[in-house]
Amino acid sequence: SQELEQSPQSLIVQEGKNLTINCTSSKTLYGLYWYKQKYGEGLIFLMMLQKGGEEKSHEKITAKLDEKKQQSSLHITASQPSHAGIYLCGASSRDSNYQLIWGAGTKLIIKP
Amino acid sequence: DARVTQTPRHKVTEMGQEVTMRCQPILGHNTVFWYRQTMMQGLELLAYFRNRAPLDDSGMPKDRFSAEMPDATLATLKIQPSEPRDSAVYFCASGFFPNRGGYTFGSGTRLTVV
Repeated sequence: SQELEQSPQSLIVQEGKNLTINCTSSKTLYGLYWYKQKYGEGLIFLMMLQKGGEEKSHEKITAKLDEKKQQSSLHITASQPSHAGIYLCGASSRDSNYQLIWGAGTKLIIKP
Repeated sequence: DARVTQTPRHKVTEMGQEVTMRCQPILGHNTVFWYRQTMMQGLELLAYFRNRAPLDDSGMPKDRFSAEMPDATLATLKIQPSEPRDSAVYFCASGFFPNRGGYTFGSGTRLTVV
């Protein structure tokens, strides 16, 4: 069955610094999704990547999908307190019948 | 902005009671998911529907959980009888498949079974 490894599990970053979160699949992906969650709230959709080598940006957040479509990275530039939360990657593939499989999440804390 | 609406937001109930959670997906979306989130297990898929037909409910304990979509504007998740281990946040999400964008999540129902 498909697994989605997300790293790191948690991250403490000084405000203003850059950071990267990774998401790796054991199988080729159909779609890779990045979501953000604040405690007690629902998941907020950030970006979806489908093509190998694709890169998308939203404000100071950039996500990339590698050519093999098995690994994605989420990069935050000049982090701000508003970036704090839990980042989750989700992925679908033909093998999973296009159901979403989820990583365990990365808890991001921004130190002022 | 279109949103997925879940009710209730919070529910505290006694063990053995029936619990029903409701979800109004975004109009036009053809896929609806029910997820459960706990600290220990993270996000778990319980069931999902496409065009109102159940596609997969293998993540649900069949003896006590049931999920239905009586019409395109309503999805329900029922637990009967509820147990303390069911305490979690239950999320509904909707989207369009083949996917043209991300799936939209509701704010969740925080269930506490005492």
